[in-house]
Amino acid sequence: DADVTQTPRNRITKTGKRIMLECSQTKGHDRMYWYRQDPGLGLQLIYYSFDVKDINKGEISDGYSVSRQAQAKFSLSLESAIPNQTALYFCATSDGASGSQETQYFGPGTRLLVL
Amino acid sequence: GQNIDQPTEMTATEGAIVQINCTYQTSGFNGLFWYQQHAGEAPTFLSYNVLDGLEEKGRFSSFLSRSKGYSYLLLKELQMKDSASYLCAVTAGGSYIPTFGRGTSLIVHP
Repeated sequence: DADVTQTPRNRITKTGKRIMLECSQTKGHDRMYWYRQDPGLGLQLIYYSFDVKDINKGEISDGYSVSRQAQAKFSLSLESAIPNQTALYFCATSDGASGSQETQYFGPGTRLLVL
Repeated sequence: GQNIDQPTEMTATEGAIVQINCTYQTSGFNGLFWYQQHAGEAPTFLSYNVLDGLEEKGRFSSFLSRSKGYSYLLLKELQMKDSASYLCAVTAGGSYIPTFGRGTSLIVHP
């Protein structure tokens, strides 16, 4: 079984709809992240969480919110989806501390299309 | 902030050697990661460099020069399956959260 899972894997929605992307991990890591990836733009950090009670904005948090329901679960919400939020979304985890322990382990991604 | 620069695209021949460069500008540098990402898939960890020098791992090697803000990923004996995007990522400051470059798309042809 995969260590980091994301649901759904693909989603088509309409402008203005609220949607939630979910991420679960069995790695036992404290740190979890949400990224979006657009062609030619690399990975951009949306939100990150270092533990259940810690939530931090990344570089492109506008239009998004998150919830850390448990150590193993971190969900991303788009309150009112817009077409320029069409992208590939990745959840990732890391062990924390420092150095190579910051290696990130990515889920398989959610491909979102906003019409 | 951090500025990370890598070539957008490279092509190479099966069996050859290719070097993918990454330059960065940052303060409080901690370390540099390389990830591989096949089209439509998740990035996967390749290497981590914190000290100057070359780290070899099978067909892949990664080099770091902290003073020059420079790293490269060296892929030897290229195979078709090495066609992918290669992401350079830098960590700096106390949070150790990586900042990713835009990635280099490597196309390996027969």
